[in-house]
Amino acid sequence: NAGVTQTPKFRILKIGQSMTLQCTQDMNHNYMYWYRQDPGMGLKLIYYSVGAGITDKGEVPNGYNVSRSTTEDFPLRLELAAPSQTSVYFCASSPGEHPTGELFFGEGSRLTVL
Amino acid sequence: GQNIDQPTEMTATEGAIVQINCTYQTSGFNGLFWYQQHAGEAPTFLSYNVLDGLEEKGRFSSFLSRSKGYSYLLLKELQMKDSASYLCAVMDSNYQLIWGAGTKLIIKP
Repeated sequence: NAGVTQTPKFRILKIGQSMTLQCTQDMNHNYMYWYRQDPGMGLKLIYYSVGAGITDKGEVPNGYNVSRSTTEDFPLRLELAAPSQTSVYFCASSPGEHPTGELFFGEGSRLTVL
Repeated sequence: GQNIDQPTEMTATEGAIVQINCTYQTSGFNGLFWYQQHAGEAPTFLSYNVLDGLEEKGRFSSFLSRSKGYSYLLLKELQMKDSASYLCAVMDSNYQLIWGAGTKLIIKP
């Protein structure tokens, strides 16, 4: 039972570099999410998807892009990394045909932009 | 704006009971959720309230009052492994989760 798998777990980027955070789930969940977590703040939604081929912006989408070509995969792309993107990123999924608040999270990816 | 408030940090003694409060102001309400997050790990789902009242799950209980915009998480018979952050989240009218900053619970022997 892999659940939600994120890679990489840690990454250091230079300002202006680009990278992709990978996320895969094997639970056949329709809903997938990308959050960032900063110290002293609640989780902030970056992008979400309600199914393959459908994505939408969350609260803090600037500087990021996503795609959802399959049910399983939901990669997050960072273009032109900035120090403000230093954070811990969590991918999550949830079951069902409608959004629920019971999310299954990946282990997180700690990104530092220098 | 939408807001979730919970204490930043609490300390309790092993074997005791602790109550973590959460107040919220959101655009609509479609449920309140509690998550546990150990340091350096992912959040894990604990409980869900959509109607007023108490939901009990073993040592953990969660209470909701929608009219007061208030919830609490009650942890009984505290164990050292309960040392973690506890996140309160509310699902708003757009079915988006709004998250509090979390309460760091420190358990002392």
